Amino acid sequence: GIQVEQSPPDLILQEGANSTLRCNFSDSVNNLQWFHQNPWGQLINLFYIPSGTKQNGRLSATTVATERYSLLYISSSQTTDSGVYFCAVPTSGSRLTFGEGTQLTVNP
Amino acid sequence: EPEVTQTPSHQVTQMGQEVILRCVPISNHLYFYWYRQILGQKVEFLVSFYNNEISEKSEIFDDQFSVERPDGSNFTLKIRSTKLEDSAMYFCASRRWRAYEQYFGPGTRLTVT
Repeated sequence: GIQVEQSPPDLILQEGANSTLRCNFSDSVNNLQWFHQNPWGQLINLFYIPSGTKQNGRLSATTVATERYSLLYISSSQTTDSGVYFCAVPTSGSRLTFGEGTQLTVNP
Repeated sequence: EPEVTQTPSHQVTQMGQEVILRCVPISNHLYFYWYRQILGQKVEFLVSFYNNEISEKSEIFDDQFSVERPDGSNFTLKIRSTKLEDSAMYFCASRRWRAYEQYFGPGTRLTVT
């Protein structure tokens, strides 16, 4: 099945710094989603981005489907951005396969 | 904005007991999913449901698990006889007809003691 790899696995930032998270996938996809899992364990939908670029406030995402990767940019990070960021792509049928996640810690 | 809701947010149960986790998908969605996340691990697919039947299930979804849409709004996951290794966060998701984006609920944390 499709493989999803995220990097880096861990990232520690000072408040105000910018960061880029990467998601590589092994096959062509018609869907890619980014999620933020907050410290309470809730999964928050960030982006549905099968291709192109989207922006939402300080966050933006770009997917280059032909090269099988997606990037999540966080600018001017805040402590509330801390948590785990997952990307997910569909595999057989419509089930989503998640990456291992990037654990982001933003220090004040 | 409509959202997927799940109840309870946290359930503690004893090994061997039956539990039912409840989800209310977004009202015009037709595809429903359950995913599971063991603490510290990634989110894993359990089952998908469409037109009142299971459309796909993973190897995790064995005979101990069942899903049901008992009425026009609820979607449930039942674990017949819980085991310690069923302790996890369970997420419900839904999506519209001919759309790919899945919308996730906040999750139910199940603790089996």
